[in-house]
Amino acid sequence: DAMVIQNPRYQVTQFGKPVTLSCSQTLNHNVMYWYQQKSSQAPKLLFHYYDKDFNNEADTPDNFQSRRPNTSFCFLDIRSPGLGDAAMYLCATSRGILGGANEQYFGPGTRLTVT
Amino acid sequence: AQSVTQLDSHVSVSEGTPVLLRCNYSSSYSPSLFWYVQHPNKGLQLLLKYTSAATLVKGINGFEAEFKKSETSFHLTKPSAHMSDAAEYFCVVSEWRGNEKLTFGTGTRLTIIP
Repeated sequence: DAMVIQNPRYQVTQFGKPVTLSCSQTLNHNVMYWYQQKSSQAPKLLFHYYDKDFNNEADTPDNFQSRRPNTSFCFLDIRSPGLGDAAMYLCATSRGILGGANEQYFGPGTRLTVT
Repeated sequence: AQSVTQLDSHVSVSEGTPVLLRCNYSSSYSPSLFWYVQHPNKGLQLLLKYTSAATLVKGINGFEAEFKKSETSFHLTKPSAHMSDAAEYFCVVSEWRGNEKLTFGTGTRLTIIP
């Protein structure tokens, strides 16, 4: 089945130690997104890629970076995690058809713990 | 600008009774509207979507939603609740003009009473 895969599902990192979260997709979608979701809150968009074009949200901290080396893969790098960065990180994809209803397909998420 | 208001943060129903989760939206353009469900520690799953075709939209697991432009509403319903429906539900709006961003409501936690 075509899907969005996130690895690892659970990640523990130390305060200030860089960490990378991975997302891959077999849907061949143009757009990939990274969201941060804290407990009992809606997902918050960090950034997205439309093909190779990177789009950062205005309030995304500089501590968060992303890479998309090819259509299938996208990475979230947190350069110096703080305790406030502990959250569920969700990757999503969409077709990116202009004028279309571009529903997003979500991966299972990576739960990040910062110690 | 687009926005979504989910009118109830928490809804409790007994198993076998109807479910109603309320959502109002605001959009400057013809919106696309979605309902997503999230079970604990899982990603979001698309339940259904509205895209300016039929105003009554049927989704998975027996859910449906009706788009009412005059009321700017997109309420989610199910005739008979099942224990497996217990989850967080998000109403989401996207504008058709190529904006790739979704605007999420704050979510409604659905609890099913045995």
